[in-house]
Amino acid sequence: AQSVAQPEDQVNVAEGNPLTVKCTYSVSGNPYLFWYVQYPNRGLQFLLKYITGDNLVKGSYGFEAEFNKSQTSFHLKKPSALVSDSALYFCAVRDLNYGQNFVFGPGTRLSVLP
Amino acid sequence: DTGVSQNPRHKITKRGQNVTFRCDPISEHNRLYWYRQTLGQGPEFLTYFQNEAQLEKSRLLSDRFSAERPKGSFSTLEIQRTEQGDSAMYLCASSLAQGGGYEKLFFGSGTQLSVL
Repeated sequence: AQSVAQPEDQVNVAEGNPLTVKCTYSVSGNPYLFWYVQYPNRGLQFLLKYITGDNLVKGSYGFEAEFNKSQTSFHLKKPSALVSDSALYFCAVRDLNYGQNFVFGPGTRLSVLP
Repeated sequence: DTGVSQNPRHKITKRGQNVTFRCDPISEHNRLYWYRQTLGQGPEFLTYFQNEAQLEKSRLLSDRFSAERPKGSFSTLEIQRTEQGDSAMYLCASSLAQGGGYEKLFFGSGTQLSVL
């Protein structure tokens, strides 16, 4: 079965510092990997996806993610955090061997401190 | 693109009552998903439609839950004989699937259900 883990419930970082939000996954086949962000009182919004090809994927708002097949990880990164990046971040995986649904991790709350 | 709309935003009901939620997807999107989210958890897949056909249902979806998408447009999710454990945020998402499996989901703001 497919699954996603986000080992940190909360990540705190100072504004201007780099940030990393971790994600590991488990699938039987080739994974399609995604990051979504949820701001307060808003629906989840797509940030970026990895399908195939370059292991470093660039997305919205200056975020990027690095796919590492050997470590089955897909960590979200940003070189310089903004206070406005504070939100709930969800990693998701899709393994077409198990159907069309997306499996989401439990989420990581990012707080960027001014 | 007016986004995915869900109604109502909040629903409070007594245990044993039936409730129905509505989702209006982005108009040209052919897929529609229902998810459930509880506090501190990520969204859990419930079911999805390709146009008007319900193609997949989670084992989480008991027989008290039913979903429809008549004519491949809006969708409704009904919960019969609600239980306190049904209290959650119910999320709807739509996508334009063109093959490949990597379409992005557009989520509504959700319907928060509280069962007393």
